[in-house]
Amino acid sequence: DADVTQTPRNRITKTGKRIMLECSQTKGHDRMYWYRQDPGLGLRLIYYSFDVKDINKGEISDGYSVSRQAQAKFSLSLESAIPNQTALYFCATSGTSGGQPDTQYFGPGTRLTVL
Amino acid sequence: GENVEQHPSTLSVQEGDSAVIKCTYSDSASNYFPWYKQELGKRPQLIIDIRSNVGEKKDQRIAVTLNKTAKHFSLHITETQPEDSAVYFCAAMRNQGGKLIFGQGTELSVKP
Repeated sequence: DADVTQTPRNRITKTGKRIMLECSQTKGHDRMYWYRQDPGLGLRLIYYSFDVKDINKGEISDGYSVSRQAQAKFSLSLESAIPNQTALYFCATSGTSGGQPDTQYFGPGTRLTVL
Repeated sequence: GENVEQHPSTLSVQEGDSAVIKCTYSDSASNYFPWYKQELGKRPQLIIDIRSNVGEKKDQRIAVTLNKTAKHFSLHITETQPEDSAVYFCAAMRNQGGKLIFGQGTELSVKP
C-alpha cells in the first residue's frame, strides 16, 4: 500500500546512537501509530496520535519518543539505541467511519538492527 | 488494560482442509475485532473484521465469529490453499480508546 511509506526500510546502527524512523501517509487519515514486531510477541503499540496536537503512549513507550510534524507525518525516535530495540517497526494509519475507528493500514516496515 | 490471547501459535493443514484460529480478550468494552494476514517479509493487511453488533461475518472462504458473552472470537478459513500460508493476527479495540491490541500471531502452513 504505497499510501503509507516508511524511511529508511533497513537500518543498522550502534548502541548509543540516535535514530529517527519516519512515516508519511497520503490517505488523509488523522490517526497514526507506531508498532514494533518481535517474533512470537505479535505487534506491540509504542505511541499513537489522533491528531497533530495529540500524542499518547502505548504499551511499550520507554526508550522511544515521537513527533507529529503534520497530519501526514509521524516520526519515531530512539534517543540512545540499545540492542534489545532490534526489531521490525511498523507505522500505521486509520480514519474513522461513522464516528467509529476504522481499519488500520500499515506501512512496509523498517527493519532496525542495533549492534 | 486489554489483553488478547491467540491460539494456536502454529497450525499446519493439508490443502483443502479448514483452519480455525481462536482469540480471547479481556476487556468487555472492546467492540471492534479485526484479523490481519502477514505474508513473509510483508506488512500486515486486513482480511476481515467484525463489530460487536454482529455474531458472524463471512467473505468468500473466510469467516469470523464473535461470542461477546465468552469474550472470544475465531477466524475460519475453508478450502485452504497454499497461498493462505502466512502469519495471522487477531486484535481487539474499544471505540473510545482507538488502540488496537494484537494477539501473538498464528503461523499457518498449508501443505499441497
